[in-house]
Amino acid sequence: GAGVSQTPSNKVTEKGKYVELRCDPISGHTALYWYRQSLGQGPEFLIYFQGTGAADDSGLPNDRFFAVRPEGSVSTLKIQRTERGDSAVYLCASSQGTIYNEQFFGPGTRLTVL
Amino acid sequence: SQQGEEDPQALSIQEGENATMNCSYKTSINNLQWYRQNSGRGLVHLILIRSNEREKHSGRLRVTLDTSKKSSSLLITASRAADTASYFCATSRNSGGSNYKLTFGKGTLLTVNP
Repeated sequence: GAGVSQTPSNKVTEKGKYVELRCDPISGHTALYWYRQSLGQGPEFLIYFQGTGAADDSGLPNDRFFAVRPEGSVSTLKIQRTERGDSAVYLCASSQGTIYNEQFFGPGTRLTVL
Repeated sequence: SQQGEEDPQALSIQEGENATMNCSYKTSINNLQWYRQNSGRGLVHLILIRSNEREKHSGRLRVTLDTSKKSSSLLITASRAADTASYFCATSRNSGGSNYKLTFGKGTLLTVNP
C-alpha cells in the first residue's frame, strides 16, 4: 500500500511569505505527527493529531505555525511570515495507534526561506 | 530538546564488518525505536523495543536495551554498502501521557565502504 506522502518535496520562499505544507498519511492511520529537522540534527516534534483534533501542539515554536487536519486524514502545516530560521526539512508521520505503534514517516518537505 | 544521544557521531567500516551504534537517554521510556535516514530525507523504521524487553532481532539487526543504564545499542551484522545512512534512536517517554511523542538523538552517520 501507499506510504506517507508529502507535497511539495521542496519549497523555496522569501522571508515574510506564507507557506503551506501538505501531508497524506497512510490510509486508516488515526494518529498524525509533524516533526522538523534542521541540518545535522535529529527530528524535533512539532504537533500530534488524534483524528481531527490537535492533541498536543506543544512543539510548535511560535504562533506563526499552525496545523489542521479537518477530516481526520490529510493535514496541512501552515507557516505565516516565514523567517530564515524556519528553513528545515518538515517531516510528517502517521501511526495506527500510539504507544507501541511505529510511526511511518514521509519523505519530507525541504523548506528554504531566502 | 534532544533526549537521546547516539555514539559515535560517525562510523566508517568495510563491507562485511559489523557496525555497532549506541544510544543513551535521560528519562524513563515506554519504548525505543531505531530509524535509518538516507540523504537527509524520510526516515525508515527499523525496529521497536519495549521498555520491558532486553533484546530484539530483525534480519541482520540486533537491538539491546538496558533501562538501568538508560542505553540501547544497534548492531548491524555483515554490513553492506547499501547500509550507508544516518541512524537515529528515538524514545517514547513514560510520563504525563505523552507516550506518542518521539524524541530523537542527533544520529550516527554510518559509512560502509565497498
